[in-house]
Amino acid sequence: DAGVIQSPRHEVTEMGQEVTLRCKPISGHNSLFWYRQTMMRGLELLIYFNNNVPIDDSGMPEDRFSAKMPNASFSTLKIQPSEPRDSAVYFCASSLAIRGTEAFFGQGTRLTVV
Amino acid sequence: GNSVTQMEGPVTLSEEAFLTINCTYTATGYPSLFWYVQYPGEGLQLLLKATKADDKGSNKGFEATYRKETTSFHLEKGSVQVSDSAVYFCALSEETSGSRLTFGEGTQLTVNP
Repeated sequence: DAGVIQSPRHEVTEMGQEVTLRCKPISGHNSLFWYRQTMMRGLELLIYFNNNVPIDDSGMPEDRFSAKMPNASFSTLKIQPSEPRDSAVYFCASSLAIRGTEAFFGQGTRLTVV
Repeated sequence: GNSVTQMEGPVTLSEEAFLTINCTYTATGYPSLFWYVQYPGEGLQLLLKATKADDKGSNKGFEATYRKETTSFHLEKGSVQVSDSAVYFCALSEETSGSRLTFGEGTQLTVNP
């Protein structure tokens, strides 16, 4: 398996624009996580899905953020409108929803909002 | 709620030095414990894990033992290499939340030749 695949790897956008980040989890995994990493706040869990259903979105910072998982092999994280403070590295991770199993991370998307 | 606390960094060592990165946790149940490593420009990779008390996880010369009595999972390596320079994250997953991870702050390790 190619692992968790995220796209794009880098995104530079202007403030106010819509940004869509994409993730393809490992085949067979039934949990998917979106994390945000910044120097100030470290790694933050934004939202996670089990069997394509959002279980906990309490980490989503504002209504400008939304995430979907239309099927088991694809998820998106959308920011609309984007702001400079959204600049961060966004990671997608997937796993089996079984105690003790590890999550596998993608390479991340580095988002810069200018 | 659950939380993970790591020793404050950054840590700078000379090659072949002994490494310890402290990690303690707070959890309501019986968590599984993990160490992840992040190399520059990359995502997080699992380094080792332990799922029950007194288990020792090991990989690439790194070790950590699940200590329930002290709620700790300290990472150790007897002789570090320049290639070990990275950020190390301690994490836990609760028994009732599947594989959802709570991370510590991360510790930047730099190993000089």
